[in-house]
Amino acid sequence: AQSVSQHNHHVILSEAASLELGCNYSYGGTVNLFWYVQYPGQHLQLLLKYFSGDPLVKGIKGFEAEFIKSKFSFNLRKPSVQWSDTAEYFCAVNAVSNTGKLIFGQGTTLQVKP
Amino acid sequence: SAVISQKPSRDICQRGTSLTIQCQVDSQVTMMFWYRQQPGQSLTLIATANQGSEATYESGFVIDKFPISRPNLTFSTLTVSNMSPEDSSIYLCSASKETGSDTQYFGPGTRLTVL
Repeated sequence: AQSVSQHNHHVILSEAASLELGCNYSYGGTVNLFWYVQYPGQHLQLLLKYFSGDPLVKGIKGFEAEFIKSKFSFNLRKPSVQWSDTAEYFCAVNAVSNTGKLIFGQGTTLQVKP
Repeated sequence: SAVISQKPSRDICQRGTSLTIQCQVDSQVTMMFWYRQQPGQSLTLIATANQGSEATYESGFVIDKFPISRPNLTFSTLTVSNMSPEDSSIYLCSASKETGSDTQYFGPGTRLTVL
């Protein structure tokens, strides 16, 4: 069965620190990969996605993620976080098929201290 | 993209009752889904809402407990039946324009508390 694992459950950083959130998945076939963000009091929003092509994808608000197929990983990065990045971040995987089913990781709560 | 709204945004219900959650998309979409996010946990897919046919349920979810309707390409409902406190969760609707592996856009969720 497919699964998604996010390594960090709760991360606390100071402003301007660099961020890397780990995400690994288990599935042997072709996948699409997503990072979603949920800001306090808001609904889930797409941060970035990878379908094919350049494994380094850039999303909104200065976030990027790198797909490393050999490691089954899709880690999220940002060189310098801001207080407004405080949110919960979810990695999700979708096996390329017609079902559209998304498998989510457990989520990582990021707290950025001003 | 798609803009999704849900009603109600939250509700407090008594044990044994049922609640129907509505999901409205601002444009026609091919796929609609219902997820559950239990307190402190991640999102779990309940079912895929199929237009014009019965929903496709994931393991652990059954139609009698979570009946779903999808009468057209922009609207779906999820009913949580015979509720118990264990059903207290956030229920989210999502939609994607295309079949297969297209990006899913999410509604704001319905926060359900069962007493």
